[in-house]
Amino acid sequence: EAGVAQSPRYKIIEKRQSVAFWCNPISGHATLYWYQQILGQGPKLLIQFQNNGVVDDSQLPKDRFSAERLKGVDSTLKIQPAKLEDSAVYLCASRGQGADTQYFGPGTRLTVL
Amino acid sequence: DQQVKQNSPSLSVQEGRISILNCDYTNSMFDYFLWYKKYPAEGPTFLISISSIKDKNEDGRFTVFLNKSAKHLSLHIVPSQPGDSAVYFCAATMNRDDKIIFGKGTRLHILP
Repeated sequence: EAGVAQSPRYKIIEKRQSVAFWCNPISGHATLYWYQQILGQGPKLLIQFQNNGVVDDSQLPKDRFSAERLKGVDSTLKIQPAKLEDSAVYLCASRGQGADTQYFGPGTRLTVL
Repeated sequence: DQQVKQNSPSLSVQEGRISILNCDYTNSMFDYFLWYKKYPAEGPTFLISISSIKDKNEDGRFTVFLNKSAKHLSLHIVPSQPGDSAVYFCAATMNRDDKIIFGKGTRLHILP
């Protein structure tokens, strides 16, 4: 079974630029999560999707971050404009119906200069 | 306000000995706890979990203990192996479908 795929793996941008990350969850997984992991911290949930609907986006900075999951499969997370403090690893995870475990992708490491 | 706390940023243990990683939580509404393991440049992988109705769960070399009155849980790895060197995250949730709150992680070094 293929795992959660993310791209790109690394991205370096300057502040005020825009960036987008892509996630392809495990096939059949209805729930998809985006996390932000700042160096030295644990992952922090940004947004949770159930199919193509948003379940929880309470910690998403909506003035600059947006996410979508069209057709309930792939998802993109966008930052516009980026700030220095957005430097982090962005992790995507998915979970199957009725399952306990979230499966994480390898993450995208973003550096904002 | 950190709801899940891992107060030891790092831990070094001799190969073959027991590794004990500790975690404290503040929210008494948490009822399900998880441990994740993370290697560099990879995403976290699920290791073991425990429901609040239990005080112990064992899976091979890994055992998680839960002390609800102290709001404390620990992960025991015995015997420790070189491949166990990684960052371990303690995490908690209020129900299994709810968002997971992670601690900051403990980096475990297994010494030869």
